[in-house]
Amino acid sequence: SQQGEEDPQALSIQEGENATMNCSYKTSINNLQWYRQNSGRGLVHLILIRSNEREKHSGRLRVTLDTSKKSSSLLITASRAADTASYFCAPMDSNYQLIWGAGTKLIIKP
Amino acid sequence: EPEVTQTPSHQVTQMGQEVILRCVPISNHLYFYWYRQILGQKVEFLVSFYNNEISEKSEIFDDQFSVERPDGSNFTLKIRSTKLEDSAMYFCASEGGLSSYEQYFGPGTRLTVT
Repeated sequence: SQQGEEDPQALSIQEGENATMNCSYKTSINNLQWYRQNSGRGLVHLILIRSNEREKHSGRLRVTLDTSKKSSSLLITASRAADTASYFCAPMDSNYQLIWGAGTKLIIKP
Repeated sequence: EPEVTQTPSHQVTQMGQEVILRCVPISNHLYFYWYRQILGQKVEFLVSFYNNEISEKSEIFDDQFSVERPDGSNFTLKIRSTKLEDSAMYFCASEGGLSSYEQYFGPGTRLTVT
């Protein structure tokens, strides 16, 4: 399978703590994107990191990419209840197609 | 902020009926996509569309499926003869092109086939 694989499948933390989600993939990529999905809703693009980048920040989000290990991580700092959602990593392959994993279900406890 | 819209939000249909799911992508975007997500499962790519033709399609996108951009703004997905297993959330997405690569998703249409 070429899909992105998120780890862990589920994560439950206290509000204010940092949340780290990991992703591994198998194919060569053009870029890797992270998306959020609130229950029963559409997908929201969070951040894109290109294959020649190693780290990217956007607000409370920090994404890393290690193309030698074919892995990425998403860190959400100072988590809030509103961050409760499923998070998907979606590597974009050489055909410019997003490859989706099963996601990490993040629960932030108040 | 511009957004992708989809109608209807929920469609209930009987097995064997045709359905058309509608999407209005962001106006200056060049690439358009349909995905589906069966409840509790991962997102599955169906088809991508560029320059008024299909650029890629998955194995799911068989002869029962078709896409159209009839008027330069709407982007539709038609399922000719629905099956029970077509029940899912269907998401439309658009991408600006010009090496932007970020896809903007609509809120989805929940299709229920009975």
